[in-house]
Formats: sequence, C-alpha cells, structure tokens
Amino acid sequence: DTAVSQTPKYLVTQMGNDKSIKCEQNLGHDTMYWYKQDSKKFLKIMFSYNNKELIINETVPNRFSPKSPDKAHLNLHINSLELGDSAVYFCASSQDLTSGNTIYFGEGSWLTVV
Amino acid sequence: KNEVEQSPQNLTAQEGEFITINCSYSVGISALHWLQQHPGGGIVSLFMLSSGKKKHGRLIATINIQEKHSSLHITASHPRDSAVYICAVDTGNQFYFGTGTSLTVIP
Repeated sequence: DTAVSQTPKYLVTQMGNDKSIKCEQNLGHDTMYWYKQDSKKFLKIMFSYNNKELIINETVPNRFSPKSPDKAHLNLHINSLELGDSAVYFCASSQDLTSGNTIYFGEGSWLTVV
Repeated sequence: KNEVEQSPQNLTAQEGEFITINCSYSVGISALHWLQQHPGGGIVSLFMLSSGKKKHGRLIATINIQEKHSSLHITASHPRDSAVYICAVDTGNQFYFGTGTSLTVIP
C-alpha cells in the first residue's frame, strides 16, 4: 500500500474554477504537509497540520485552504484558480513535529490552469 | 539570497564516476534532509542528518554543523541515479529548500 497517496495525479482546469486535491496517509503520522513546486523546481512549504491544527501557514494566498477531516487526511482546496497556480503540489507526512523526522512524500499532483 | 544553496545546479557524469553534490545553508538547523526526485516527479527522502555521516548503499551523506555544509556522495554512479537531488533544512519551525541539483548519468 502507498504510504502517502494523493489524488488526482493530473488536473487541468480553467481559470476561476475551484478545485481540490486530496491526500491520505496510512502511516499513523500526526503531521501532514502541503508543498508547492514551481516551474523552476523550487519546493516551498505551504501548510502543515499537526493533530488537525494548522501549525505553519506560509504566506500563501487565502484562496488556498487546507482541510483535515481526520488525522489521516489533509486536503487542499483552491478557489478562483489563477494561471500562476499551475505547479506540482506534494503532500507529505511525518511522525510528529519533532525536528528530524523522516518525511514521506506523495507522488505529486500536476495542476495546470488554462 | 536563498537560505539553502546547492551546487552544482546541473551535473552530467559517466557511469561509474564518483559524484558529489554540495549544500550550504545560512540558518540554524535541527536537521538536514536530502531528497531525490525522479524524472516522473515522485520525491523520496534519502537521508535525514543532524550530525556526522550516514551511508545507505552507494549513497553517503555528511554534514558539518559548524561550517553549515552538507554533501551527498554517490559512489559507482549508475544511469538509474539520474534524478534531481534536493537539500532541505529543518529549523525546528519551518523548512527551507535548495533549488535542486539535476544529475544525469550517462551509460
């Protein structure tokens, strides 16, 4: 079984639409993350959730909202999509927020906004 | 200036060569991670270091906390090692990522 799975893997949508990317981890981890990788391959952390509480909220537009129905899931909702939102979004998890935990990544979701 | 700098940005090597990728950082850290991103896009965590050296198969990672520098070495490189290698540091509050080193190993 995949440790961290995210869906969809590919998503093409028009500007202005609202879309969601789902993420699930079956590792029993307490902390989950969303990262954005831009066209230059630069990874940037967007959010992290620990026990369903938002811990880090980097300076991302409020059109992006993480939703965690339970510890094993952290979904990413994006409203009013813009061309600049086109990127690869990675979900990840770690045991907890203690520094130095191994991070497990999902396979990524390729979002293209047209 | 990025908090994490990697070099080189691009690297082409012949199969069998010894490869070194460097990472320097400017913030205080509690741990450093080396990540591998395959051409298909998936990311795998290779190492997590807080001091010293770790070895896994043909991969070796070292860190010098005083010099704020880490290296990833690949011995006897193989075409399947072709990937982007990303250095990431954990300050305890947040992560900073390098821009990655794109490695191509030619048969």
